[in-house]
Amino acid sequence: KNQVEQSPQSLIILEGKNCTLQCNYTVSPFSNLRWYKQDTGRGPVSLTIMTFSENTKSNGRYTATLDADTKQSSLHITASQLSDSASYICVVSAQDSNYQLIWGAGTKLIIKP
Amino acid sequence: GAGVSQTPSNKVTEKGKYVELRCDPISGHTALYWYRQSLGQGPEFLIYFQGTGAADDSGLPNDRFFAVRPEGSVSTLKIQRTERGDSAVYLCASSYAGLGGGNEQFFGPGTRLTVL
Repeated sequence: KNQVEQSPQSLIILEGKNCTLQCNYTVSPFSNLRWYKQDTGRGPVSLTIMTFSENTKSNGRYTATLDADTKQSSLHITASQLSDSASYICVVSAQDSNYQLIWGAGTKLIIKP
Repeated sequence: GAGVSQTPSNKVTEKGKYVELRCDPISGHTALYWYRQSLGQGPEFLIYFQGTGAADDSGLPNDRFFAVRPEGSVSTLKIQRTERGDSAVYLCASSYAGLGGGNEQFFGPGTRLTVL
């Protein structure tokens, strides 16, 4: 069964600190993996999209990694800011679908001053 | 438009009533998606349009839910005889063609539906 699992479920860190969020998936055949940021009361916003051949991609202070062999991805946030407080959702798509995405439940990140 | 818009932003209704939720996708995006999101969960797929046709409506929970996109742009999600369990945020997204090749999906702000 295609699944995406994320950890931790929630995380609280102090402003300025770094953190890493984890994503494990069992989607096959794999097409690409996306990380979304979702602020409270807003729709998700794409941070990165990685295909099978990419093992790292950065977007400002966000760096995503992908290990297609172990089917794991991580999202690293550097020098966190209060505005980073949000849910971060890992989403995987399979090659045999042009539109279906398998969504994780997300990690709720809270940055404290 | 500049982004995906959804109206209303909030909708409170009574059990048994009929509601319509509207989505205006980004101009030129042929693909449109409806999702439902419960608190603390990722979005749950409902239906996918390619142009005017529903290419996959397998995520619609039952026949009380229906969606249309008559001119290939604006879409309306219709819920009949609402139940308290329908309470959720309904998200709409659009993309240029489908999501193959890593096309990006852009989301609207959602409509928060509360059924009393």
